[in-house]
Amino acid sequence: KAGVTQTPRYLIKTRGQQVTLSCSPISGHRSVSWYQQTPGQGLQFLFEYFSETQRNKGNFPGRFSGRQFSNSRSEMNVSTLELGDSALYLCASSLPSEGYEQYFGPGTRLTVT
Amino acid sequence: AQSVTQLDSQVPVFEEAPVELRCNYSSSVSVYLFWYVQYPNQGLQLLLKYLSGSTLVESINGFEAEFNKSQTSFHLRKPSVHISDTAEYFCAVRLAGFQKLVFGTGTRLLVSP
Repeated sequence: KAGVTQTPRYLIKTRGQQVTLSCSPISGHRSVSWYQQTPGQGLQFLFEYFSETQRNKGNFPGRFSGRQFSNSRSEMNVSTLELGDSALYLCASSLPSEGYEQYFGPGTRLTVT
Repeated sequence: AQSVTQLDSQVPVFEEAPVELRCNYSSSVSVYLFWYVQYPNQGLQLLLKYLSGSTLVESINGFEAEFNKSQTSFHLRKPSVHISDTAEYFCAVRLAGFQKLVFGTGTRLLVSP
């Protein structure tokens, strides 16, 4: 079974631009979560989507948004990029059953200049 | 709110020596506990998890962790490490019914010959 895939793997953007990251979950997984990883703040939860609905959201500004499609694929968008948005963005997918672990993708490395 | 403390940011150890990576958590309700490992330029891989039942959980590659409710700890141990165990290890908690993982700051395990 294929793992979680994220595209693109690397991205360089300029301050003020916007960016869209994509995540394809493991087949059959309907829950998709996004995390931001930075050296200063560590791993922080952004949001979780299940059946195209956002179920949970972390403490990030409204510039960070996401969505999920009917095939469970998810996208994350960051508008008006800031230097501090430079990070590794990780996507994780899971079955909706209790106790089932999350499987992480390789991440998208975003650099904002 | 839940929180996770990993007191050791870096643990150097010689190959074939035992190692313990410490993890303490804080939560007013029951949580699930996880250890993830991250190799350079990769996403997170689940090492082991505690949901309920036996307080000692083991992974297929020789790691084990013991859930201690009274001390709110979930320390990771391995009796004999290999060079290939060099990586960053993250302890995480999750509330039942939610997908959001709260991570510790990570411990970098450095195994030298």
